[in-house]
Amino acid sequence: DTAVSQTPKYLVTQMGNDKSIKCEQNLGHDTMYWYKQDSKKFLKIMFSYNNKELIINETVPNRFSPKSPDKAHLNLHINSLELGDSAVYFCASSPSTTPYEQYFGPGTRLTVT
Amino acid sequence: SQQGEEDPQALSIQEGENATMNCSYKTSINNLQWYRQNSGRGLVHLILIRSNEREKHSGRLRVTLDTSKKSSSLLITASRAADTASYFCATDAGTGNQFYFGTGTSLTVIP
Repeated sequence: DTAVSQTPKYLVTQMGNDKSIKCEQNLGHDTMYWYKQDSKKFLKIMFSYNNKELIINETVPNRFSPKSPDKAHLNLHINSLELGDSAVYFCASSPSTTPYEQYFGPGTRLTVT
Repeated sequence: SQQGEEDPQALSIQEGENATMNCSYKTSINNLQWYRQNSGRGLVHLILIRSNEREKHSGRLRVTLDTSKKSSSLLITASRAADTASYFCATDAGTGNQFYFGTGTSLTVIP
């Protein structure tokens, strides 16, 4: 199936731990994104990569570090997890040319205890 | 901020009725997109409207854009229970390929 996939779907961890979320797309897109959706459903862009190069880095704590080994993968590493990091994290991809329709992964629900 | 803001926050209608939700934004845009999110799932693209377009249709969806008022509306006609979801607008704030979302409108269609 052509899609954007994320692993894991659920992640429960304690404060202070380091965790990673993986994302892969097989749509042939050049651009990939990470979004954070909070409990009020506000969806905020965190990072955007185009052909493995960081394009957008919104105001995000430097505990969050994206890594793109190739243009089909964009992983998110989070160090020293805090309670406020609890949210659903979505990966998305889009073509690098208009109209930039985004395809979202199923999300990873991160709970920090 | 650059985000789109949807209104109302929640909407409940009977099956067969029309549902209208609105989006307002603050900066100039090139494109505005609408997405649907079913509970526990990722967002799905519904429709895109460019800044030089005023209206666009796709099946039971009708989107309008008023750049002078910096607002857009999404109309779903003859709603179905399966339309129950959250609907988000995404604005590009003139960047072209960076989109900013809001908190969405939660639509409940009662069978």
